[in-house]
Amino acid sequence: AQKITQTQPGMFVQEKEAVTLDCTYDTSDQSYGLFWYKQPSSGEMIFLIYQGSYDEQNATEGRYSLNFQKARKSANLVISASQLGDSAMYFCAMREGGIGGTSYGKLTFGQGTILTVHP
Amino acid sequence: NAGVTQTPKFRVLKTGQSMTLLCAQDMNHEYMYWYRQDPGMGLRLIHYSVGEGTTAKGEVPDGYNVSRLKKQNFLLGLESAAPSQTSVYFCASSRGTSGSSTGELFFGEGSRLTVL
Repeated sequence: AQKITQTQPGMFVQEKEAVTLDCTYDTSDQSYGLFWYKQPSSGEMIFLIYQGSYDEQNATEGRYSLNFQKARKSANLVISASQLGDSAMYFCAMREGGIGGTSYGKLTFGQGTILTVHP
Repeated sequence: NAGVTQTPKFRVLKTGQSMTLLCAQDMNHEYMYWYRQDPGMGLRLIHYSVGEGTTAKGEVPDGYNVSRLKKQNFLLGLESAAPSQTSVYFCASSRGTSGSSTGELFFGEGSRLTVL
């Protein structure tokens, strides 16, 4: 079974509008972490936002927020006020276990969603 | 602010040739990783290391070997390259258990390898 599923191969959004990128995950661990990375066309991997499984509040970082629904095992990324520079591939990833645990920080990635922002 | 540096950035090999990708990090991170990225498959873990002198297999280790003789360096080797190893390779590092609030991975810029 896929541990991380991103069901949207591609998404389009108008500049200045908000967009939600979906991510569902599968784990039996109680402690885990969820990450979103951005990969622009230049290829580098940029860390955007993190949510710990025990965090009660949804994570926010500037225009990025993570809509964490633990019971549904979903960790959707919301980008508000989209900008042309947000056009990129976005990856959801999960670390099973705590930071100091035997997962040794390994991340499992989803397939990615290509976001295109139209002017 | 070098962070994680990978060399080379691009390489073309013929089937059966060997090569080594070098990853160097200057953040004193304990953990290091090699991933490969293929279209529609996200990033998949090849091998990882939790400290100098240690290595372990990830999800797709076949056809690759690694070594971590120094804490700051993590080498990925292909002994006999195959077309199926055409991919973009990413090295990453993380602080591990010390002083990280998220455990995020810091990535290099990637190395594009083509095997003909």
